[in-house]
Amino acid sequence: KQEVTQIPAALSVPEGENLVLNCSFTDSAIYNLQWFRQDPGKGLTSLLLIQSSQREQTSGRLNASLDKSSGRSTLYIAASQPGDSATYLCAVIDTGGFKTIFGAGTRLFVKA
Amino acid sequence: EAGVAQSPRYKIIEKRQSVAFWCNPISGHATLYWYQQILGQGPKLLIQFQNNGVVDDSQLPKDRFSAERLKGVDSTLKIQPAKLEDSAVYLCASSSLGRSYNSPLHFGNGTRLTVT
Repeated sequence: KQEVTQIPAALSVPEGENLVLNCSFTDSAIYNLQWFRQDPGKGLTSLLLIQSSQREQTSGRLNASLDKSSGRSTLYIAASQPGDSATYLCAVIDTGGFKTIFGAGTRLFVKA
Repeated sequence: EAGVAQSPRYKIIEKRQSVAFWCNPISGHATLYWYQQILGQGPKLLIQFQNNGVVDDSQLPKDRFSAERLKGVDSTLKIQPAKLEDSAVYLCASSSLGRSYNSPLHFGNGTRLTVT
């Protein structure tokens, strides 16, 4: 059974710091991994999608990497800003049941 | 393009009452999902539709939850009767390209349900 874990559960950093969020999954048989952002009281916004054949994706200050064999992904945020404060979730679609399985998220707070 | 629309935004009901949520996906998106998100947890898939057919409802508590997607567009999710543990945010999402699992999910803002 696929399980997705995100560490840390919460993170507080000063503005301008570069940071890394971690996501791990137990079964490497996945179609893709997706990173989302969720603001309080809102739905999820897709940030980056990495297909299983890819190693990384970049969008602006965000860079996501995927190491499928070790079951890990990282989301790198450069030069963090207070507006980056949100919960970041990762999700995988596995090839077994074709379900999208989410981690519990990392709550990020960027202090001005 | 317009995003995924959900209503209502909030709902408070007493246990054993019934409630219904509505979702309108992004135009042209064949796949529609309903997720339940309990506070502090990631979303859990309840049901997935492709057009108006059910792809996966293995985690839907079928004794109390039902969902339909008539004409392959809008969808409704119903709970009857509600229990205290159903208090959560119910999120609707859609994606394009049918069974292409490399299409990103687009989420609505969700309906926050409180059962008292």
